[in-house]
Amino acid sequence: DIQMTQSPSSLSASVGDRVTITCRASQSISSYLNWYQQTPERAPKLLIYAASSLQSGVPSRFSGSGSGTDFTLTISSLQPEDFATYYCQQSYSTPLTFGGGTKVEIK
Amino acid sequence: QVQLVQSGAEVKKPGASVKVSCKASGYTFTSYDINWVRQATGQGLEWMGWMNSNSGYTGNAQKFQGRITMTRNTSISTSYMELSSLRSEDTAVYYCARGPPIHDWYFALWGRGTLVTVSS
Repeated sequence: DIQMTQSPSSLSASVGDRVTITCRASQSISSYLNWYQQTPERAPKLLIYAASSLQSGVPSRFSGSGSGTDFTLTISSLQPEDFATYYCQQSYSTPLTFGGGTKVEIK
Repeated sequence: QVQLVQSGAEVKKPGASVKVSCKASGYTFTSYDINWVRQATGQGLEWMGWMNSNSGYTGNAQKFQGRITMTRNTSISTSYMELSSLRSEDTAVYYCARGPPIHDWYFALWGRGTLVTVSS
């Protein structure tokens, strides 16, 4: 199984900050990497697919980059509604696997 | 509107089985795969398996081999996930999630989740 490791596991940031979350795969997954946002008691929401493609309806302050084993999710200017937990997911092979999550909290 | 509506919360005893339903609306049911993902309280996301809604072909994570059954009823646009031999570690919220129109493995549409509690 492909292991997905996210860092940091949590971070504190202020509204307007630029936030970067990283995700590393245990083997090359090309660009088969997706990002989700989850708020408490809600289902995950797809933000980015195929490493850098912005899902329809997702604000442009979200962006993704990377290929191979190292990937990044960037929020260019953190908004109040962005305080949530973020997960990466590899779609290179089954079993699909998720990172452990990064909780973005208010500083 | 386009949505997945899941069945309600369940409480089961260890060793029992649970069957969760996921009703699709607003789109052509047979054109999209359905995946099942679970999340224990305060924990991360765990992919369980998938089903081709047209053919009924399924695949699952090895961890659930022998315990998971995924089926569908195309006449009512509903997918089902049954998990047997339940244990306390299976207590979680179970989500159904729809893949994109071309067979791929990312999920833009999710159900609201079904809480399954396994307790004696």
